[in-house]
Amino acid sequence: NAGVTQTPKFQVLKTGQSMTLQCAQDMNHEYMSWYRQDPGMGLRLIHYSVGAGITDQGEVPNGYNVSRSTTEDFPLRLLSAAPSQTSVYFCASSYSMMDSGGYTFGSGTRLTVV
Amino acid sequence: TQLLEQSPQFLSIQEGENLTVYCNSSSVFSSLQWYRQEPGEGPVLLVTVVTGGEVKKLKRLTFQFGDARKDSSLHITAAQTGDTGLYLCAGVGTGNQFYFGTGTSLTVIP
Repeated sequence: NAGVTQTPKFQVLKTGQSMTLQCAQDMNHEYMSWYRQDPGMGLRLIHYSVGAGITDQGEVPNGYNVSRSTTEDFPLRLLSAAPSQTSVYFCASSYSMMDSGGYTFGSGTRLTVV
Repeated sequence: TQLLEQSPQFLSIQEGENLTVYCNSSSVFSSLQWYRQEPGEGPVLLVTVVTGGEVKKLKRLTFQFGDARKDSSLHITAAQTGDTGLYLCAGVGTGNQFYFGTGTSLTVIP
């Protein structure tokens, strides 16, 4: 099925460990983004990309890195996990930042840092 | 910085009742979107409103964009248990970034 695929769905990390959250889409969307969702905070933008080779910071980029080597993939790297990064992470894609057709979201990665 | 404030944060109503949720900002938005999110899933787009004063209807859901394009509302008529979920507004704001609101968690009790 066409859409946004995120892996893994659940992950537990120890403080200081690093990991990569994977995101892939097969809709040929140029715009991809990563959000974290915390209770009472809504969805906050971490990083986004308007096309292959182009990335930019969002509202809460510290502690995260991204790259966009292909149109399809947009991985999110946690460099040195901290308990404050415990959250649910969503990857989203669309044709453009404000596409009237809306964003297509993955089903999320629930990350716990202990 | 949270540009979009939603109210109420939580809402629990009986099936068949009407309800309205609000999305407010001090900034002007070129357009606003509303999403619904169910537990364990990502948000799904309900509607995009573009013009100040615009009203859109999707079956029992009515969306309105404020004249000044700083606020929006979602009205649900005769709520059903299937309407349960987290409702999020979103739009492009300051710095040309796409922001989501804080969300309204709706529970419809049978």
